[in-house]
Amino acid sequence: EIVLTQSPATLSLSPGERATLSCRASQSVSSYLAWYQQKPGQAPRLLIFDASNRATGIPARFSGSGSGPDFTLTISSLEPEDCAVYYCQQRSKWSVTFGGGTKVEIK
Amino acid sequence: QLQLVESGGGVVQPGRSLRLSCAASGFTFSSFAMHWVRQAPGKGLEWVTAISYDGSDKYYADSVKGRFTISRDNSKNTLYLQMSSLRADDTAVYYCASVTNKWFGDFFDIWGQGTVVTVSS
Repeated sequence: EIVLTQSPATLSLSPGERATLSCRASQSVSSYLAWYQQKPGQAPRLLIFDASNRATGIPARFSGSGSGPDFTLTISSLEPEDCAVYYCQQRSKWSVTFGGGTKVEIK
Repeated sequence: QLQLVESGGGVVQPGRSLRLSCAASGFTFSSFAMHWVRQAPGKGLEWVTAISYDGSDKYYADSVKGRFTISRDNSKNTLYLQMSSLRADDTAVYYCASVTNKWFGDFFDIWGQGTVVTVSS
């Protein structure tokens, strides 16, 4: 089973700053990695699929990069509404794995 | 408008059963695989199970294998999760989610709002 490790666990930044979130896979994986944003009390929302493709309606300040085993989600200029937990997700054969999440706090 | 609406959650005693439903609208439900994902209180996301577009293939996480059964009724645009032998560690918000593929999919593009299942005596 592939394990996805996200770092840091918490990121505290000011509005306008750049946020860099990491997701590392325990073994070589394809580029089929996705990122989700989850705000308190809400369902997750797809941000990025296939490592670097923005989902419909996602602002351009969100970008994804990387290839197995290291992937990155970058928020180029933080907005107050970006306060959330971010999860990476990978599909392997007939199973799905999520990372433990990175909480982004806005100072 | 693309939408998934879960129902059927509630409080249930350990060892008992519960069936969740997920009603789809705004897209061709019968063309895509569907999944259930859960989230225990204060915890991260955990994949539970998946079903192919026609119901012929089903996949389960080890934690629920033999206890949970996924099914779908394409004539009703509805996904189901039959949960039996429930345990305290099944307590979670259960989300249904759709993918852009017939058989399994690589990512979840539409999520429901979730339904809460609490297993407690």
